[in-house]
Amino acid sequence: DAKTTQPNSMESNEEEPVHLPCNHSTISGTDYIHWYRQLPSQGPEYVIHGLTSNVNNRMASLAIAEDRKSSTLILHRATLRDAAVYYCILRRGDNFNKFYFGSGTKLNVKP
Amino acid sequence: DSGVTQTPKHLITATGQRVTLRCSPRSGDLSVYWYQQSLDQGLQFLIQYYNGEERAKGNILERFSAQQFPDLHSELNLSSLELGDSALYFCASSPRLVVMYEQFFGPGTRLTVL
Repeated sequence: DAKTTQPNSMESNEEEPVHLPCNHSTISGTDYIHWYRQLPSQGPEYVIHGLTSNVNNRMASLAIAEDRKSSTLILHRATLRDAAVYYCILRRGDNFNKFYFGSGTKLNVKP
Repeated sequence: DSGVTQTPKHLITATGQRVTLRCSPRSGDLSVYWYQQSLDQGLQFLIQYYNGEERAKGNILERFSAQQFPDLHSELNLSSLELGDSALYFCASSPRLVVMYEQFFGPGTRLTVL
């Protein structure tokens, strides 16, 4: 299984940016990096994904290291609604359908 | 609301029993995925069906089976239940065979085995 390593928990203040790190040192050339989040009592929801270049969408930005061994999910202005468990996942390039969720980072947002 | 529905929301049963969990994907989605989320194992991929056929398998026990029907809804059957099978079971769907962008997750079924 393609492994990712994330901190167990992080804390942020409301309205401030949050940088959620993920290490994936065993990533292969065709692996995509996906981020999902799981709000309390809900199923996971898609946040963003990328391959090599940095990506932006309405929810967040994804910064991918040049060697692709790590990535950072950036929430530009954290809100209380962003409190969730964030999962960094490698989608295997040779098998698009097996998503391996790790333990994730529990983000706490303080008002 | 992701558009994926799962029933029942909660299920309490005894060891040795058999249960069936049901999932209706988003309208138009052909792929259905099942996941198990337990406290000690995190979120684990179990199996994927596409347009009625099994297409990918993860850490699914032999006591578990799934199928996808012509109307595209899916059922996950869990038999000879053990205490360790207590978990949240999520269903997800996506439009195509391969997950290019995102899966849409349902609200989950919480299974408690006593």
